[in-house]
Amino acid sequence: GAGVSQSPSNKVTEKGKDVELRCDPISGHTALYWYRQSLGQGLEFLIYFQGNSAPDKSGLPSDRFSAERTGGSVSTLTIQRTQQEDSAVYLCASSSQVTSSYEQYFGPGTRLTVT
Amino acid sequence: SQQGEEDPQALSIQEGENATMNCSYKTSINNLQWYRQNSGRGLVHLILIRSNEREKHSGRLRVTLDTSKKSSSLLITASRAADTASYFCATDDQDNYGQNFVFGPGTRLSVLP
Repeated sequence: GAGVSQSPSNKVTEKGKDVELRCDPISGHTALYWYRQSLGQGLEFLIYFQGNSAPDKSGLPSDRFSAERTGGSVSTLTIQRTQQEDSAVYLCASSSQVTSSYEQYFGPGTRLTVT
Repeated sequence: SQQGEEDPQALSIQEGENATMNCSYKTSINNLQWYRQNSGRGLVHLILIRSNEREKHSGRLRVTLDTSKKSSSLLITASRAADTASYFCATDDQDNYGQNFVFGPGTRLSVLP
């Protein structure tokens, strides 16, 4: 079946502009995660969704970052007034969490470059 | 504070040799996972070990978990050039089952032909 997809794969934007990043999880996966990865670094947790609710928003770096998930499926990560330090690869993952399986399936990521 | 931290940061070995990577974490966990990442894009799940397990095998992979030392190791036996990648451990928090997974900075493995 189809894996996790993300769009766009690459995004170049000017400082101060808003961007929207999209994640399509695997059908039926209730859990959805957003991470950020700077060049050569590990993954930074941003936000976790269980269904449509986000019990853990602790990783969002500032109030310029927001995310939503509708219909328990597609999620959008929005960054307002982008800054150069927002440049990174944004990764989305989904997980079934059925039978206590917490294996995360990752999308290919969106590479964001803020000029 | 960072939960998982891999060691070494980088490892270079010859094809056919074994590669061992370590992960240390700080708080009590429910499970620990290892992932592989090629070319800086999506990660691929390798293996999950639960807090009540001590060792797990999957093909050429062997993972151990020592909860008393809050550490785990990933052993790749008979390495191949295709194993060249970054390897990350990820841990959850015992109080937040399946929620906030924290990834370490990773070990960059290079397998030379």
